[in-house]
Amino acid sequence: ETGVTQSPTHLIKTRGQQVTLRCSSQSGHNTVSWYQQALGQGPQFIFQYYREEENGRGNFPPRFSGLQFPNYSSELNVNALELDDSALYLCASSPMASSLETQYFGPGTRLLVL
Amino acid sequence: QQQVKQSPQSLIVQKGGIPIINCAYENTAFDYFPWYQQFPGKGPALLIAIRPDVSEKKEGRFTISFNKSAKQFSLHIMDSQPGDSATYFCAASDRGSTLGRLYFGRGTQLTVWP
Repeated sequence: ETGVTQSPTHLIKTRGQQVTLRCSSQSGHNTVSWYQQALGQGPQFIFQYYREEENGRGNFPPRFSGLQFPNYSSELNVNALELDDSALYLCASSPMASSLETQYFGPGTRLLVL
Repeated sequence: QQQVKQSPQSLIVQKGGIPIINCAYENTAFDYFPWYQQFPGKGPALLIAIRPDVSEKKEGRFTISFNKSAKQFSLHIMDSQPGDSATYFCAASDRGSTLGRLYFGRGTQLTVWP
């Protein structure tokens, strides 16, 4: 059973650019959540996708958007990057017919905005 | 507003010691309380979790104590080892809300000296 994978591992962008981060959920998991982890902080919930629909959103502006595909993989898109968007972006997946609180995290994508 | 408050921010113990990390919450709708362990450059890994219908849960050297009336819970690491040196996050979720969105504490950086 493969775990949650994310790509790329690291990314450097400049302010105003756009970025797309990718996540492949663990086999058998149909729910994907995205979190932002600033340096020295706990992860903050961005949004969640279930059956290809956004299923809840945290306190993040609309320039943060996402997609979920039929194979349950997901993308996080961030437009008009700001310096404060520099963080570790984590994807977490949850099992299909099980307790949805059990979230398994990927290794994250480290984004640096200059 | 921080939904889950975690302390201490950092903790140093000697090998064999019992570090204790504490968390407090206000939202009485929370009904699932996991602890995650994170090593540098990695995503958080689920360590142990508890529901409010029990006051204590043990898994190996890790124990969660839960006090529902005080709205507090804590992680104890028995016979701590240098390999336990990592950042620990408590979290909470409400099964009635966004399919298990996790609210994280700010983290505790644990160092275990040999």
